[in-house]
Amino acid sequence: DTGVSQNPRHKITKRGQNVTFRCDPISEHNRLYWYRQTLGQGPEFLTYFQNEAQLEKSRLLSDRFSAERPKGSFSTLEIQRTEQGDSAMYLCASSLAETGGEKLFFGSGTQLSVL
Amino acid sequence: AQSVTQLDSQVPVFEEAPVELRCNYSSSVSVYLFWYVQYPNQGLQLLLKYLSGSTLVKGINGFEAEFNKSQTSFHLRKPSVHISDTAEYFCAVISGYSTLTFGKGTMLLVSP
Repeated sequence: DTGVSQNPRHKITKRGQNVTFRCDPISEHNRLYWYRQTLGQGPEFLTYFQNEAQLEKSRLLSDRFSAERPKGSFSTLEIQRTEQGDSAMYLCASSLAETGGEKLFFGSGTQLSVL
Repeated sequence: AQSVTQLDSQVPVFEEAPVELRCNYSSSVSVYLFWYVQYPNQGLQLLLKYLSGSTLVKGINGFEAEFNKSQTSFHLRKPSVHISDTAEYFCAVISGYSTLTFGKGTMLLVSP
């Protein structure tokens, strides 16, 4: 068990560019979550998958945000046409639905800075 | 809808003193409650959770929390803090078929 891995740790981009983040969950976990955390706030839920199915995406912040988990393993979060307001820490977490699914293990996050 | 309120954004305390971090929640259905800790430059780590049963829950690093349904609270306590407990602490709730909702966090600052 190597934990939840997120890449890159830091991303600096110019406004208007697209960015993609990757999350590798704990290998036996079938649920994967994306959260966003801004300074002084708690993590804010964005979307989650069970296996490859995206079960909740209404909380994605705009249609510029999209996530995929094509083979039910790793996931990517893409932000198109980035804006300065997208600057935040993007957190990924995973859990095992069969044991209740409520114990989330978090990665260290990807810090996005939009200039 | 569910929500979590952490009234204290910062709690300063001296080493070896007791501490209580407050958390109140709102939900129309039964809940699962959690405390997570985030050390500087690290990911969120689960401290403890309440799912059912005994309302007093013990977690890692000497922390405990008590679920109080009538007051809709889940306050976190430690009888004697260490410098290494300096971190941000998040209360979180799941109810019904919802996903984990976090409070804004409380920064615990332990000084010698």
